[in-house]
Amino acid sequence: EIVMTQTPLSLSVTPGQPASISCKSSQSLLHRDGRTYFYWYLQKPGQSPQLLIYEASNRFSGVPDRFSGSGSGTDFTLKISRVEAEDVGIYYCMQGLDLSWTFGQGTRVDIK
Amino acid sequence: EVQLVESGGGLVQPGRSLRLSCRTSGFTFVDAPMGWFRQVPGKGLEWVGFIRNKAYGGTTEYAASVRGRFTISRDDSRGIVHLQMNSLKNEDTAVYYCTRGAAGYFWGQGTLVSVSS
Repeated sequence: EIVMTQTPLSLSVTPGQPASISCKSSQSLLHRDGRTYFYWYLQKPGQSPQLLIYEASNRFSGVPDRFSGSGSGTDFTLKISRVEAEDVGIYYCMQGLDLSWTFGQGTRVDIK
Repeated sequence: EVQLVESGGGLVQPGRSLRLSCRTSGFTFVDAPMGWFRQVPGKGLEWVGFIRNKAYGGTTEYAASVRGRFTISRDDSRGIVHLQMNSLKNEDTAVYYCTRGAAGYFWGQGTLVSVSS
């Protein structure tokens, strides 16, 4: 099983300031088809998760452009250029390389 | 607008069965792989499995923790995906989410399954 490790596990951010979350996988997520099956989700308080980023760096439809994803292989990063109050919640990374998809532990983001 | 509405959750005894349904609208269901995820209240997310669309054989994949006990099926004529859960265990207690797309492109609101004697 591929293990996903997120850091930090919690983050307190001043509105308007940037934030960054890291996710490392225990093996490369580059598939032989050339795609990287890595995703970022946000679960806002009391809500279902929502997809933010797919295949490491592609912003999903409707996701504000202050969110960006980067990385390759085993190291990935989610950046929020200017955090807003509505960005609070738990952020999860997920890998889908080997048909045994696994999540990171989650990173709780709140506002200072 | 994509809508996914799960139903069928509830309290069930260990060893018994339960079938969850997910009714969909707002997209071309026959073309969409569909997934199931779960989340123990207050804990993290876990992938359960997914079913490919008919063009890819309608085949299924499952997490090791549910393989052999859970079965995903789809009714393309009605836009519904099912999760049949057999031999339920206490550790299957969770909120179950249906998703459009194997990777969870859109999520339903979830339905709570509680397994307890």
